[in-house]
Amino acid sequence: AQTVTQSQPEMSVQEAETVTLSCTYDTSENNYYLFWYKQPPSRQMILVIRQEAYKQQNATENRFSVNFQKAAKSFSLKISDSQLGDTAMYFCAFMGSNTNAGKSTFGDGTTLTVKP
Amino acid sequence: GAGVSQTPSNKVTEKGKYVELRCDPISGHTALYWYRQSLGQGPEFLIYFQGTGAADDSGLPNDRFFAVRPEGSVSTLKIQRTERGDSAVYLCASSFDRRPPLHFGNGTRLTVT
Repeated sequence: AQTVTQSQPEMSVQEAETVTLSCTYDTSENNYYLFWYKQPPSRQMILVIRQEAYKQQNATENRFSVNFQKAAKSFSLKISDSQLGDTAMYFCAFMGSNTNAGKSTFGDGTTLTVKP
Repeated sequence: GAGVSQTPSNKVTEKGKYVELRCDPISGHTALYWYRQSLGQGPEFLIYFQGTGAADDSGLPNDRFFAVRPEGSVSTLKIQRTERGDSAVYLCASSFDRRPPLHFGNGTRLTVT
């Protein structure tokens, strides 16, 4: 079974600075997807960034980038130039592409607070 | 519609009652997922549908939980004899043919008193 671990329950950062959220996972699959989702108080899970395991290049979406270390099973999220609107809960998630396709496993989240 | 729609937004029920939670996925999405999110935790997988059939229901906690998707679009999650431990946010998501990303609705917050 897959597991996803987020070791930082809470993080804070000053507006305009950079913060990194950690995520590690465990799987025996070779092909899979990794995601970071943002969940504001509205409860909707919003996709921030995704990474396909077969791609060596780290994904980037504007101020958001990941550091994907496949051998170490690590997938951290870096938020640059933090904004007040980035305040939310962030979840790391794994989705297999083979036998477990369709069933995502989520970590327990990191609550990020951006301070003015 | 433009996104995944879940109704009701909030549901309060008494212990022992029956509840139905509805999910209307994005038009054209063949895969539909249900997750349960308890306070302070990440979403936990319950069940997913590919078309009308349940492709994987291994996450349903017990036989009080059941979900249907009779026409391959709208899905209903049904909970019988509710218990206080069922209180959580129930999230629905959809995707095109099991391919990521998942598009989530705003969830239904279920409170069992």
